[in-house]
Amino acid sequence: RKEVEQDPGPFNVPEGATVAFNCTYSNSASQSFFWYRQDCRKEPKLLMSVYSSGNEDGRFTAQLNRASQYISLLIRDSKLSDSATYLCVVTAGGGKLIFGQGTELSVKP
Amino acid sequence: EAGVTQSPTHLIKTRGQQATLRCSPISGHTSVYWYQQALGLGLQFLLWYDEGEERNRGNFPPRFSGRQFPNYSSELNVNALELEDSALYLCASSLGAPLKNTEAFFGQGTRLTVV
Repeated sequence: RKEVEQDPGPFNVPEGATVAFNCTYSNSASQSFFWYRQDCRKEPKLLMSVYSSGNEDGRFTAQLNRASQYISLLIRDSKLSDSATYLCVVTAGGGKLIFGQGTELSVKP
Repeated sequence: EAGVTQSPTHLIKTRGQQATLRCSPISGHTSVYWYQQALGLGLQFLLWYDEGEERNRGNFPPRFSGRQFPNYSSELNVNALELEDSALYLCASSLGAPLKNTEAFFGQGTRLTVV
């Protein structure tokens, strides 16, 4: 089982749609959780940290369920500029950031 | 404020040579991470340095090594290059260990091509 698993992509959605990404992690000792986005052939950029109480940043909402070892990212009112690969990231023992394989999102006009 | 900077942006080497990649973290950040991203694949953890010490390494052979300098900048060295080492090498920095819930920020990467 992979340490961090994400929904396989790609997700093809129309502008204005709501889309949800899911992520599960295997290490129950993980303490920090993040969502990054990566545009084609570019470096990953931090989108948001994920806190136990859940957090929202504009159109983006992240949720964490420690009991189920599950993280989610909801994007409302999708824009063309949201097209990218979304990476779920979890800390592991020893300071490693473990990246999921990413879920590709394509927002169409 | 300058972000994480990496050099060179592109590097072409022949099989068997050595490659040296450099990374300067964000000012004030003491932790540096190295990742490898082969074409079409996810990010694979290589190395983590904090306060000048190697804290952890991923499942890579010993020919992948590095160091962190007193100013917290870092070098990644890859010896005896193989064709499959061709990838984007990404460096990230953070204020401290991610276990402290600090976020990591990436440089633009060095694209290494081994021919």
